[in-house]
Amino acid sequence: EIVMTQSPATLSVSPGDRVTLSCRASQSVDLNLAWYQQKPGQAPRLLIYRASTRATGLPARFSGSGSGTDFTLTISSLQSEDFAVYYCQQYNDWPPFTFGPGTKVDVK
Amino acid sequence: QVQLQESGPGLVKPSQTLSLTCTVSGDPISGGSYFWNWIRQPAGKGLDWIGRVHTSGNIDYHPSLNSRLRISIDKSKNQISLKLSSVTAADTAVYFCARSVWPTHYFDFWGQGMLVTVSS
Repeated sequence: EIVMTQSPATLSVSPGDRVTLSCRASQSVDLNLAWYQQKPGQAPRLLIYRASTRATGLPARFSGSGSGTDFTLTISSLQSEDFAVYYCQQYNDWPPFTFGPGTKVDVK
Repeated sequence: QVQLQESGPGLVKPSQTLSLTCTVSGDPISGGSYFWNWIRQPAGKGLDWIGRVHTSGNIDYHPSLNSRLRISIDKSKNQISLKLSSVTAADTAVYFCARSVWPTHYFDFWGQGMLVTVSS
């Protein structure tokens, strides 16, 4: 099973900040990595797939990068609606598909 | 746009079987090469993939749940079902159904989720 880790666990930021979230896989997942956003009481929402492809309708302030074992999700200028928990997920090897533990982005 | 809705009992007794249904609307369940996945999330914790069924009927289960889990598809009703037997308190979670599309395996559409509590 591929183990996903994310850092930091919590990130306290202000609107307008540039935010960088990290995700690491225990072995290479090539480009087969997705990012999701989850707000309280809601289902996760797909943001990024294939490491860097934005989902339909996703604002350009969100970008993904990386390959192999190290990945990054960047929010260029955080908006108020971006406070949430962010998860990465590998889909290179299964079963099982595995998620990282999440990074919570909250208000400083 | 495809929509998914989970339904079923919100309370299950220990040692019994948890049964949930995911109803898909807006697109035939076999309208493409789709996988229909179940993912769960214990309160305050992360996401755990449980298993999936393809429109062809092929199934993948999480290895740790393989002996207790059954996922099936009913194309006539546009539904996917989940049955998890011999439940314990550790199975208490919000259960989501979600779609993925072959040959990719990320989850593009999700249901709103349903809380299932295992308690006597």
